Amino acid sequence: AQSVTQPDIHITVSEGASLELRCNYSYGATPYLFWYVQSPGQGLQLLLKYFSGDTLVQGIKGFEAEFKRSQSSFNLRKPSVHWSDAAEYFCAVGARGNTPLVFGKGTRLSVIA
Amino acid sequence: DAGITQSPRHKVTETGTPVTLRCHQTENHRYMYWYRQDPGHGLRLIHYSYGVKDTDKGEVSDGYSVSRSKTEDFLLTLESATSSQTSVYFCAISQGQLEGTEAFFGQGTRLTVV
Repeated sequence: AQSVTQPDIHITVSEGASLELRCNYSYGATPYLFWYVQSPGQGLQLLLKYFSGDTLVQGIKGFEAEFKRSQSSFNLRKPSVHWSDAAEYFCAVGARGNTPLVFGKGTRLSVIA
Repeated sequence: DAGITQSPRHKVTETGTPVTLRCHQTENHRYMYWYRQDPGHGLRLIHYSYGVKDTDKGEVSDGYSVSRSKTEDFLLTLESATSSQTSVYFCAISQGQLEGTEAFFGQGTRLTVV
C-alpha cells in the first residue's frame, strides 16, 4: 500500500523568499504523484502532477516539483513566495488500477512580510 | 472548476441521529470518493465508488455507509452520528486511476455532532 509523509507541519517564509515543501512517499512501483493546495474554507485545488517522463514538472501559480526516485521524494518548490500562497499544501500518491489517492497530513504555509 | 456539488455545506446534528451527505457531479466521471479532513490527520478515505452500485471501503469506514444508484450521485450516511465524526467531509471525483488522472474535489461539508 502507498503512504505519504510530509515532515513539516508548519513552515513560515518571508514574502519573496524561496520555498521548498518536502514530500516522501512509499510505493513499490512507479507512483503517480500530486500536489494540492487548500485555502481556508475551500476545497483542494491541483497544483501539479507527475505520471511519467520528465522528472521536473511545472504547475500552476509558479510552482514546480521534482520527482527523485532514488530518494522517494517529490518536493514542491517556488522561487519567490507571494502572500497569497499562504495555505495548506498536500502531497498525494496514486497508482495504476482502482486505487484511490493517499494523502499526506499536509504542510501549512504562512507568509510574513 | 469541476462540476461537483456537495450538500449541505454545513450541518449541526445531535449524537445518535442519522445523517446523509450528498455529492453530485456533472462530469460523468466513473470514480467518486468520500474523504474526511481532521487537523493533524490530513485527508483520510472513508469509502469510494468505481461505478454505479460498486463501492469499497477506505481507511476509516466504520460508522459510515455509502450508496451510488446513479453515476452522478454518491451519498454518505452516518448511521448514528457520534462526536468523533465531527469533521469536514470532502467528495472527490476522477475519471479513473488507469489513466492516472487526478481527483477533483468539492467544496466540503462541515459537520458538527453535538
